[in-house]
Amino acid sequence: KQEVTQIPAALSVPEGENLVLNCSFTDSAIYNLQWFRQDPGKGLTSLLLIQSSQREQTSGRLNASLDKSSGRSTLYIAASQPGDSATYLCAVKGSQGNLIFGKGTKLSVKP
Amino acid sequence: SAVISQKPSRDICQRGTSLTIQCQVDSQVTMMFWYRQQPGQSLTLIATANQGSEATYESGFVIDKFPISRPNLTFSTLTVSNMSPEDSSIYLCSVEEGGYGYTFGSGTRLTVV
Repeated sequence: KQEVTQIPAALSVPEGENLVLNCSFTDSAIYNLQWFRQDPGKGLTSLLLIQSSQREQTSGRLNASLDKSSGRSTLYIAASQPGDSATYLCAVKGSQGNLIFGKGTKLSVKP
Repeated sequence: SAVISQKPSRDICQRGTSLTIQCQVDSQVTMMFWYRQQPGQSLTLIATANQGSEATYESGFVIDKFPISRPNLTFSTLTVSNMSPEDSSIYLCSVEEGGYGYTFGSGTRLTVV
C-alpha cells in the first residue's frame, strides 16, 4: 500500500529565505507526482506536476525534483515571501490510478 | 486546465440533516473524484463518479451515506446524509486532465452542530 510522508510537518522562516520541502513515498511504481498549495479552509491549487519519466519541473520561484528510484521528491522555494504561507501537499498517482496524499507541510513566512 | 466551480463554499448544518454539494466543470470529463479532508488531516478519496454508471466508493464510504449523482460529463453532486458532527470536514471535487494532473474545486467547508 502506497504511503506518502512529508517532512517537516511545519516550518517557519523569515522572508527572503530559500527553503526545501520534502516528500517521500514507499512504492516507486508511480505515474506522476503533483505538488499542491492549500490556503486555510480552501481548495487545492496545483503548483507542479512531474511525470514519472521526468527529473524536475520549474515554475517561477518553484522547482520540484523527483527521484523515483529512491521514492523522494523535493519542492524548492526561492526567495520566500509572506504570500507563500500555506500548506503544501504532495500527492502521487499510483498503479490504482488515484491520488495518495501526504499530510502536508504548513509553511509560515514571516515579514 | 479545467476550471471547477464548487458550491456551497461553506455551510453550518444541524445534525440529522443532509447537504448536497455541487461541482460544475467548464469542460467534459470522464471521471470526477470526491475527497474529504477532516480537520488537521490530509485528503481521502470518497468515490469516483463516472457519467452513466454507479459511483465507485472507497473502503469505509457507502452510497447510503454519500450518494453521488453524475447526470452529464460536466456536473456532479455529492450528498452528505444524516449528518453528525464527525462529518465536519472540507469536501472537494476533482478532475484529472492528462498533462495538467489533477485540478480541484475550491472546497466546501461543512460544520455540523
